[in-house]
Amino acid sequence: NAGVTQTPKFRILKIGQSMTLQCTQDMNHNYMYWYRQDPGMGLKLIYYSVGAGITDKGEVPNGYNVSRSTTEDFPLRLELAAPSQTSVYFCASSSPGDREGSPLHFGNGTRLTVT
Amino acid sequence: RKEVEQDPGPFNVPEGATVAFNCTYSNSASQSFFWYRQDCRKEPKLLMSVYSSGNEDGRFTAQLNRASQYISLLIRDSKLSDSATYLCVARGDSNYQLIWGAGTKLIIKP
Repeated sequence: NAGVTQTPKFRILKIGQSMTLQCTQDMNHNYMYWYRQDPGMGLKLIYYSVGAGITDKGEVPNGYNVSRSTTEDFPLRLELAAPSQTSVYFCASSSPGDREGSPLHFGNGTRLTVT
Repeated sequence: RKEVEQDPGPFNVPEGATVAFNCTYSNSASQSFFWYRQDCRKEPKLLMSVYSSGNEDGRFTAQLNRASQYISLLIRDSKLSDSATYLCVARGDSNYQLIWGAGTKLIIKP
C-alpha cells in the first residue's frame, strides 16, 4: 500500500497564482484532512472531510477550497496565492475506527513558497 | 487556556538518560490520545496510541491521568535518534476531531 500520497513535494508560486495540491489515499479511509504547518509551529486544520461529498472548514480555511468527489482523493485548491500561505501542507487520513477512533496517517507534505 | 498544551522545550538530555514530558488537555470527554514524533521538515509519524490508562512499547511509555487531565510520555535509555519534536493529540467529541498540541522539542546529546 502506498498510504497517503501528496503531490507536488515542492512548489514556488507568485502572488495571485493558483494551484491545486493533490492528495490520494489507498486505505479506504473515510476521514481526510488538510493541515498547514508554519516553521516552528503546530499543525492547523484547514479543511476536513468525513466521506465522499462531505467537506467542512477547519480552523484556517480562508483562501482555500476543497472537494471530495471520491473516497480516495481530497485535493486542496489555492485560488489567489498570498505570501501568508507560504507553509508546509500535510494531507492525512484515518478510519472512523471503533469508539475510540484511529490515528491519522500523513502524506510526506508539500512545501509551498509564495513570493 | 489552549485545548492541548505542551511545554515547547527544548529538552536537552544526555544520551542514555530518561526523559519525560507531559501534555495537558481541557476536554474531559476526550477518550483517546496519541503521541506523534515529527522530525525536522518531515511529516508526523504515530509513536503511540493511548486509549486507557497507558501504553508501553519498548523504551517508550505513555500514561493517561484522567483525573488531572494529562498524558505523559516517558523515554528510557534515550538514543540520539530520539531527537525530534513530540506532538500530543487528543480526540475531541467526534472521532474525526483531533486537537493537536504545538509539540515538545527533544534534543539528545552525546
